[in-house]
Amino acid sequence: GDSVTQMEGPVTLSEEAFLTINCTYTATGYPSLFWYVQYPGEGLQLLLKATKADDKGSNKGFEATYRKETTSFHLEKGSVQVSDSAVYFCALRWAGSYQLTFGKGTKLSVIP
Amino acid sequence: DGGITQSPKYLFRKEGQNVTLSCEQNLNHDAMYWYRQDPGQGLRLIYYSQIVNDFQKGDIAEGYSVSREKKESFPLTVTSAQKNPTAFYLCASSYRGETNEKLFFGSGTQLSVL
Repeated sequence: GDSVTQMEGPVTLSEEAFLTINCTYTATGYPSLFWYVQYPGEGLQLLLKATKADDKGSNKGFEATYRKETTSFHLEKGSVQVSDSAVYFCALRWAGSYQLTFGKGTKLSVIP
Repeated sequence: DGGITQSPKYLFRKEGQNVTLSCEQNLNHDAMYWYRQDPGQGLRLIYYSQIVNDFQKGDIAEGYSVSREKKESFPLTVTSAQKNPTAFYLCASSYRGETNEKLFFGSGTQLSVL
């Protein structure tokens, strides 16, 4: 079945460091891909998405490119801030389906 | 303001007790979902509903029940058959016809067993 694999956390970075959180998926076909962010004690919020190959999603300085060759959707940010500390989830969803398949999440801590 | 409201924020269950988690949305969304979040496990789908009076089991429906009598409401009951109910429960909703669009999540309910 479909699955999403994220890099193990937690990830600890200093402020202004470069961030990469890896995400790969296993699926037959080309689903839509998403990154969600969860701040402490809250629900998830959509961070960015890409619906077809080579699309780049971007928001709040974060970017991710849909790479069908490597079935990946890695999340990147050039300069993280303390306020970026959260858990990040990669997810996929098929057109015509109402279900999201989530990765296990990667906790990011940014220290001043 | 439109959004999803989950209540209560914290809930405690005794052995053998059924408890119900509330989820209300005023976004006029057709589809609603319940997810369970455990540390290191990510989110797992319990139940979802695409329209009123209809719902489907997700990956881990055993020990849970739902109803969808109104478009705005999708309560989740954690029954005594659920032997390991301690988790963070998240409700979400989306437009029915836009499956490439985002889910809107509530702020969650932390359920613990006494």
